[in-house]
Amino acid sequence: DTGVSQDPRHKITKRGQNVTFRCDPISEHNRLYWYRQTLGQGPEFLTYFQNEAQLEKSRLLSDRFSAERPKGSFSTLEIQRTEQGDSAMYLCASSPEAHGYTFGSGTRLTVV
Amino acid sequence: LAKTTQPISMDSYEGQEVNITCSHNNIATNDYITWYQQFPSQGPRFIIQGYKTKVTNEVASLFIPADRKSSTLSLPRVSLSDTAVYYCLVALRGQNFVFGPGTRLSVLP
Repeated sequence: DTGVSQDPRHKITKRGQNVTFRCDPISEHNRLYWYRQTLGQGPEFLTYFQNEAQLEKSRLLSDRFSAERPKGSFSTLEIQRTEQGDSAMYLCASSPEAHGYTFGSGTRLTVV
Repeated sequence: LAKTTQPISMDSYEGQEVNITCSHNNIATNDYITWYQQFPSQGPRFIIQGYKTKVTNEVASLFIPADRKSSTLSLPRVSLSDTAVYYCLVALRGQNFVFGPGTRLSVLP
């Protein structure tokens, strides 16, 4: 296991389309986080899973966003009816019970 | 809202020691202090974490005074490849991190 993997690395989509991103965490990590980052800003927290349970969601996560982590392994983040304001880097991170996060390289979304 | 304050940017020259100070006046008793480094188009990378006094690893040192209201990340003998954004975070271990804008370090030749 070489770290947190995210797929795809880049996604260009037309406004109004749905997109789905995947994150594969480090296998022994039970916590998984999604963040969003726009240019020049620090990452913003979106949501967090402990195993398969989604324990916290940010107000940033509108009803167009949904995240899942079936069986407590990989996670998906779906954005429905994308808007230009959704253009950002979407970062996934995982951690064991109580330690620093390991981030993936992110998925860069461009909505045109 | 981030619980920390750090300089927006810093410049240094290759070979110098760089110290980035972070203020966290409202740090809670059980919060840890964690520093991350981020290069463009990559996710943040964990550098160091501490609770009090001094922590050192192969890449950096973290100095935390007794009142824990600030901390200083020390990078010895920086190189051009240390040019990055550095984030200071405080949180309970395992809790969600709230990132501020970080400190943009530019290392010049």
